[in-house]
Amino acid sequence: EVQLVQSGAEVKKPGESLKISCKASGYSFINNWIGWVRQMPGKGLEWMGIIFPADSDTRYSPSFQGQVTISADKSISTAYLQWSSLQASDTAMYYCARVDRDSCDYWGQGTLVTVSA
Amino acid sequence: QSALTQPASVSGSPGQSITISCTGTSTDVGLYNLVSWYQQHPDKAPRLMIYDVNKRPSGVSNRFSGSKSGNTASLTVSGLQAEDEADYYCCSYTATSTSLYVFGTGTKVTLL
Repeated sequence: EVQLVQSGAEVKKPGESLKISCKASGYSFINNWIGWVRQMPGKGLEWMGIIFPADSDTRYSPSFQGQVTISADKSISTAYLQWSSLQASDTAMYYCARVDRDSCDYWGQGTLVTVSA
Repeated sequence: QSALTQPASVSGSPGQSITISCTGTSTDVGLYNLVSWYQQHPDKAPRLMIYDVNKRPSGVSNRFSGSKSGNTASLTVSGLQAEDEADYYCCSYTATSTSLYVFGTGTKVTLL
């Protein structure tokens, strides 16, 4: 059974760093792109970026380029999303999703990130 | 890369059919048959309902169907049921975004 299990909710202060994770199981991790999606409170889905774990080829949406870093550790089948300096506007739910046949067929349960002074 | 355009809300009575549009451009929806649709209930992760414009994943009801004409894709839900009340998002592969994909603005489906 394919599963994506994300790390737990985080509460951070502005300026702090953060790395959240998405652990995959039930399929060959290196063979599918993994995407990250942001959903701000009460808002729609936004595509942030995508990584191919086999060679760490990473693509970012222009809105998120330079704002976050996407990475993957194929030895433990885990993808990551990280910030070096959080802002209040980063408060959102973040989802990882497996991409297969150009659609997101499996999703993580989401990680809620709250940034507040 | 701008988001694909969807109506903010669509409503229908139980048993009726509704159609949600998703308008893009000649560099995304119009160029590729790679449109997918997602259903999201409150406080839940999205769920894939349609991929490759009109294909249904295993386990998705055949009341859900997809189509495309030019730069506009559509999701039709027939025989509307209470459980269909949710937010729906389209997504397309795109030639103009470095991240390969773009979502629609989202549509809230409400039962009357």
